[in-house]
Amino acid sequence: GQQVMQIPQYQHVQEGEDFTTYCNSSTTLSNIQWYKQRPGGHPVFLIQLVKSGEVKKQKRLTFQFGEAKKNSSLHITATQTTDVGTYFCAGDTGNQFYFGTGTSLTVIP
Amino acid sequence: DTEVTQTPKHLVMGMTNKKSLKCEQHMGHRAMYWYKQKAKKPPELMFVYSYEKLSINESVPSRFSPECPNSSLLNLHLHALQPEDSALYLCASSQEGARGRLAVYEQYFGPGTRLTVT
Repeated sequence: GQQVMQIPQYQHVQEGEDFTTYCNSSTTLSNIQWYKQRPGGHPVFLIQLVKSGEVKKQKRLTFQFGEAKKNSSLHITATQTTDVGTYFCAGDTGNQFYFGTGTSLTVIP
Repeated sequence: DTEVTQTPKHLVMGMTNKKSLKCEQHMGHRAMYWYKQKAKKPPELMFVYSYEKLSINESVPSRFSPECPNSSLLNLHLHALQPEDSALYLCASSQEGARGRLAVYEQYFGPGTRLTVT
């Protein structure tokens, strides 16, 4: 079955509100990547995390990799309409690679 | 050039047809991937080529046959597909993809081929 789960599956927020998606793996990950896929588009790489407990920021986006390297999160501060899309985490277990189930974000202007 | 191109953009084929999907990148990447993505689902890895050799086949049915003619090109040959194979087929490439370490580098995705099997 699916080894990398994300919650929530869907999220609707008012523009300006914050948003967080959580990624959980049943196995320890070597590293984790985050991708964004706009409606009708293709996945676009956002970031990669490698170290346990790592935190990286990109403008309004904050990415975190858990201490046990089994979970990760993406937090967007003050969402904008351009943030609309599905956010996928993607994990490498060392011999297999899985995309998470994704969180679809809708931003209401 | 950070672009991965895929042709065709759309393809409709019958269950007895033979067709091919094409993917091209000129970034000097040595790993190339095929993914299948159904609506509202995550991409599912199908095949990985690393240094032009097939390194990963995720138990994909033999009606899908990948080919890597050179380091810039990746094909997916389709034969006797089923309606449930209808999906978006995405190609991606990355700088390097050693065996067992698929996500060492970021993957650049092409726009995909939307396949409909009738």
